[in-house]
Formats: sequence, structure tokens, C-alpha cells
Amino acid sequence: EVQLVESGGVVVQPGGSLRLSCAASGFTFDDYTMHWVRQAPGKGLEWVSLISWDGGSTYYADSVKGRFTISRDNSKNSLYLQMNSLRTEDTALYYCAKAVWSGYSPFDYWGQGTLVTVSS
Amino acid sequence: EIVMTQSPATLSVSPGERATLSCRASQSVSSNLAWYQQKPGQAPRLLIYGASTRATGIPARFSGSGSGTEFTLTISSLQSEDFAVYYCQQYNNWPIFGPGTKVDIK
Repeated sequence: EVQLVESGGVVVQPGGSLRLSCAASGFTFDDYTMHWVRQAPGKGLEWVSLISWDGGSTYYADSVKGRFTISRDNSKNSLYLQMNSLRTEDTALYYCAKAVWSGYSPFDYWGQGTLVTVSS
Repeated sequence: EIVMTQSPATLSVSPGERATLSCRASQSVSSNLAWYQQKPGQAPRLLIYGASTRATGIPARFSGSGSGTEFTLTISSLQSEDFAVYYCQQYNNWPIFGPGTKVDIK
């Protein structure tokens, strides 16, 4: 059974930093591109970032470019999101999601999310 | 950047009735279009990809159609568990989601 379990979400002040983690199991992690998607409270879904199977390619939404860094450790079946210079508009539930295939792809498995609140 | 729109914002339907949800892209995304269902407090679930291919385990009452810029998700006979928010997503390039359609009980 595929499982994605996010952690690391907390309340942080504007300008602060945070690292989210996603532990994957039930599939061959290093075969797949992985993504972060976020959802502000009561709002829709916003794609944040993706990383290729080997970590060699990373891409970001314009809204987080230069502030967030995605990474992965295939030896630990784990995905990460380093979030710096946080803004109030970054407040959201952050999901990790597994791509169906490499490249541009839908997402066939999602975690339950971890809540990041940016507030003074 | 591609903009995705969905209509209506809210659709009120009686159990057993048919629901038709629309999704439009501001430029062609070919058939690179997915639909997701999200219930309160839950993660999104992939329903349809490739505009018309049902994901694993999705009931046959869900069907998708369209290509280019106009897409439709049809739920042939609404069950109680189908009341939820539905999002379309294009993956012709960077993933972009539509704003969602809430399907609620009439």
C-alpha cells in the first residue's frame, strides 16, 4: 500500500524558516518524480514544486521561487521542502504527492498534509 | 501562463441525478487534463487522467471527455459519497489547478 506521511508543519513568524518532510512507503521511491502541492485554508490547490527521480531536476512555482528548496534522499525514501523567508500568504496545508510518470504528470497518491501557519 | 476555469462554482444535485462539471483552459492542453475529488478533511483523490481515463478503482459512473480547451466530468448517478469538491488540473506543462466545483445536495 502506498503511503505518504508529511511532517514538520508548525506556527512560524513571517521571515522565518521551516523544513517539511514526507516519508514514502509502498512503492519504489527512486523511480518517481515527487511534488509538493499546497492548499490555503478554505481555498483551492496550488502546485509548489517538483523534483525528478534522482534529484537532478527541480522546478518551482513563481510564488516560491528563490525562497523554497525541494530535495530528496532516496536512501531514506524521503522528500523535503526547505522553506525560507516565509510570508503570511504561505500559510497552507502542504501535501506531498507522487507523480504517475516522469515529466508533466497527474498525481496518483497524496499524503494527508502538514499545516504551516505563518503568523506573528 | 495557462489559466484554468471551472463552472459552475457550486452545483446542487439530488442523489441519483446526473452531474455535469465543466473545465476550460485558456490555451490548448491537448488531453493532458486530470480530475480530482476532495472531501472535507481529506487529500484530493485522482479520478480521471488523460481527459478520459479512469484512475485505478474509480467507479464507472465517473467519466471524462474533451480535449484542447474544453473538458467535462460527468457523474452519471450521484451517490451520497460523491458530494465533494472537484478540481481539474492541466499537466501539459507546469501543473495548474482549476478553482474547483463544489457538488452539494439539493
